Amino acid sequence: GAVVSQHPSRVICKSGTSVKIECRSLDFQATTMFWYRQFPKKSLMLMATSNEGSKATYEQGVEKDKFLINHASLTLSTLTVTSAHPEDSSFYICSARERENYNEQFFGPGTRLTVL
Amino acid sequence: AQSVAQPEDQVNVAEGNPLTVKCTYSVSGNPYLFWYVQYPNRGLQFLLKYITGDNLVKGSYGFEAEFNKSQTSFHLKKPSALVSDSALYFCAVRDALRGAGKSTFGDGTTLTVKP
Repeated sequence: GAVVSQHPSRVICKSGTSVKIECRSLDFQATTMFWYRQFPKKSLMLMATSNEGSKATYEQGVEKDKFLINHASLTLSTLTVTSAHPEDSSFYICSARERENYNEQFFGPGTRLTVL
Repeated sequence: AQSVAQPEDQVNVAEGNPLTVKCTYSVSGNPYLFWYVQYPNRGLQFLLKYITGDNLVKGSYGFEAEFNKSQTSFHLKKPSALVSDSALYFCAVRDALRGAGKSTFGDGTTLTVKP
């Protein structure tokens, strides 16, 4: 099946710094990418949806200036957590969908962010 | 609006016994339904989906699910559980026509299979 990678898998940073997480589709062109945040109690929260070459659509309550999403190519999307604070610590998961296979989403392995 | 409910936080079964993880959904139109599994500190892995056709869907690792339109359910089942099936399971729904192609996930059910 299609493979989605995320980098880094874990990151620890100081409060106030910015962190960039990359999401890549390795063997298909991802016309749409989704960014999720998973809380300790398990639930998956959709943060934003990005289509290649256009601005991301953020879900209600998600700060677009805080969580910058760029989908510059059909194989790469990035999530930048700006001026990170301890409450931003979480597990961030991306997923990707290709135009020809609209019904399936392929998930990355996730990135564990810890803000000290 | 679309929503998914996984009424059980936790399901415990003995190895070799059948397992069921429950899921009910709500959508305005026709549903697309999915099951995913997540192992600790990993992303979600696709198990199976219902789009159209046969109500009984077979997926990876011996799992299957039955789409029941009248009960708006899509329960995940396996005839004989393995210890390695222990993981977190998510049900997801997407409205076939509405919802901008976004899936809504349930809160997850932790399955524990004991030897």
